[in-house]
Amino acid sequence: ETGVTQTPRHLVMGMTNKKSLKCEQHLGHNAMYWYKQSAKKPLELMFVYNFKEQTENNSVPSRFSPECPNSSHLFLHLHTLQPEDSALYLCASSQGSGGTDEKLFFGSGTQLSVL
Amino acid sequence: AQTVTQSQPEMSVQEAETVTLSCTYDTSESNYYLFWYKQPPSRQMILVIRQEAYKQQNATENRFSVNFQKAAKSFSLKISDSQLGDTAMYFCAFMKRKFYNQGGKLIFGQGTELSVKP
Repeated sequence: ETGVTQTPRHLVMGMTNKKSLKCEQHLGHNAMYWYKQSAKKPLELMFVYNFKEQTENNSVPSRFSPECPNSSHLFLHLHTLQPEDSALYLCASSQGSGGTDEKLFFGSGTQLSVL
Repeated sequence: AQTVTQSQPEMSVQEAETVTLSCTYDTSESNYYLFWYKQPPSRQMILVIRQEAYKQQNATENRFSVNFQKAAKSFSLKISDSQLGDTAMYFCAFMKRKFYNQGGKLIFGQGTELSVKP
């Protein structure tokens, strides 16, 4: 257990559905991240939040909408997804101080299938 | 832009033996960090070891050690006395040194699937 919890573990949705992924960290960190892990591809950074402010959007389609209400919670709202969006979505957190001890802690991910 | 390359998609090793996983990276940065993460079938991404680029000494964590060659931009992971629980996907990752309020984003390689055989 790394202190980063993601729900749900699995999600199946149709292309017209709206769903949300949730991430919660209990580590007192100030930075949170969404990564996408597709089969046979390196992990892709999607979004970065520092102190609740979005500091990076890695050219992610607008059908993915992140929300960070506080430093402990991160959501990824999904709507009108495509089958190619099926993947493992990983949340991570870090101190966010940029200091020499900066490292990311990951959740177990949400396995998303879009039908 | 930074890139990370792992040229070994799959590797296997006998239990109790030693195995080395390769990683190369490309960057023009001088201050950065390198990481190895493992992802077992449970999908949990677990930090194995971390190296600071300005430190010449290679990092070690119990049975895990790295060979960091900064000039060659090489960062290999050595696992000694391999155990069945080491079976996992291993990812090499790069992080540019960030400053206050910026956090640190990881750039990952493609991964190496390691199987430890009894």
